[in-house]
Amino acid sequence: ELKVEQNPLFLSMQEGKNYTIYCNYSTTSDRLYWYRQDPGKSLESLFVLLSNGAVKQEGRLMASLDTKARLSTLHITAAVHDLSATYFCAVDQAGTALIFGKGTTLSVSS
Amino acid sequence: NAGVTQTPKFQVLKTGQSMTLQCAQDMNHNSMYWYRQDPGMGLRLIYYSASEGTTDKGEVPNGYNVSRLNKREFSLRLESAAPSQTSVYFCASTQTGFSNQPQHFGDGTRLSIL
Repeated sequence: ELKVEQNPLFLSMQEGKNYTIYCNYSTTSDRLYWYRQDPGKSLESLFVLLSNGAVKQEGRLMASLDTKARLSTLHITAAVHDLSATYFCAVDQAGTALIFGKGTTLSVSS
Repeated sequence: NAGVTQTPKFQVLKTGQSMTLQCAQDMNHNSMYWYRQDPGMGLRLIYYSASEGTTDKGEVPNGYNVSRLNKREFSLRLESAAPSQTSVYFCASTQTGFSNQPQHFGDGTRLSIL
């Protein structure tokens, strides 16, 4: 059974600081997705990571995938308030469905 | 560019009542999904449909039924609602076979069962 664990679950950051969110998963998969959710809203796709060593960047966010370690990271550079949201990683389960982590709620304050 | 449309957006039910949540997508996707989101639990898969005419159970299917009415529409039915089914329900779709495609989500249905 595929399990996906994110940490930390809550993250309070100061503007301008860097931090990393970790996503570990329990069985082999080479497809991993990152989503963002604002309070009361839907989920927005951020990154699709398809192979070992994949790295994607968009603005202050950078995601990477290490399939051998079963680990993905979402790195935040010089955080700004607009990045406050909940971030989910999700792992593809044998091409049928996604298994989601519990999410990391990020709060960025000045 | 509607994407994935869910109706209703909010609903309050009494225990034992039944209702159907509707989902439609206009992206010609073959796969559709129903999730529930509860505080601190992330999203959990209820049912999915890999193609028109097929449905499969996900992680938490008990108390729910689904119908893939056609390629566009995938409905979720609660036959006898229970307070434990109070949640936010999300429908999603994607085109499987194209691994670079993420799932696209609707805006959610907020369901309260008293």
